[in-house]
Amino acid sequence: ETGVTQSPTHLIKTRGQQVTLRCSSQSGHNTVSWYQQALGQGPQFIFQYYREEENGRGNFPPRFSGLQFPNYSSELNVNALELDDSALYLCASGVAGGREDTQYFGPGTRLTVL
Amino acid sequence: AQSVTQLDSHVSVSEGTPVLLRCNYSSSYSPSLFWYVQHPNKGLQLLLKYTSAATLVKGINGFEAEFKKSETSFHLTKPSAHMSDAAEYFCVVTFSGAGSYQLTFGKGTKLSVIP
Repeated sequence: ETGVTQSPTHLIKTRGQQVTLRCSSQSGHNTVSWYQQALGQGPQFIFQYYREEENGRGNFPPRFSGLQFPNYSSELNVNALELDDSALYLCASGVAGGREDTQYFGPGTRLTVL
Repeated sequence: AQSVTQLDSHVSVSEGTPVLLRCNYSSSYSPSLFWYVQHPNKGLQLLLKYTSAATLVKGINGFEAEFKKSETSFHLTKPSAHMSDAAEYFCVVTFSGAGSYQLTFGKGTKLSVIP
């Protein structure tokens, strides 16, 4: 078990709604990344936060946004939900700098968009 | 750009026989390579990582992987499969040169273990 926690575990929304997913990083970590894992696929990088600023972004539209707080917890916000947003959303925390680039994942939030 | 190709989407082995999950990578820089495992309805667990030290990397639960630069491969092996090894396995590449530790995942290999 890593020290990364996510809430909620499951969530059901309808198309067009907005959703906020939450993540608490492992103690001592200063980066948080979010990944989307569609059914039967590998996780896709959404973005990473470091020192409360976005530090890299994958191929996701601006309606995917995030926040990182001073205590290194994080939120993923998705506006105008689409059916294709249904996926497992994974949060990962790590340490920026040096050669340590391992990221540790939380259990994920399963989002279903109807 | 970096990418990962997992050569088999599904591997089936009998309990007690060897496991081989194949992975090829592409990276413009010296990469870090990982294998993660995902059990059904669970998050991702780190099995092992390569970061330019020894080319043979030992991980948890008896798994190991060998980094072969000439073949751009990072295959995962285990001498004897156990029923609890049945899961999805992901080969992952990253490099820290850009300052953002973006992980690039393969599409995954589902390992089935037959009793």
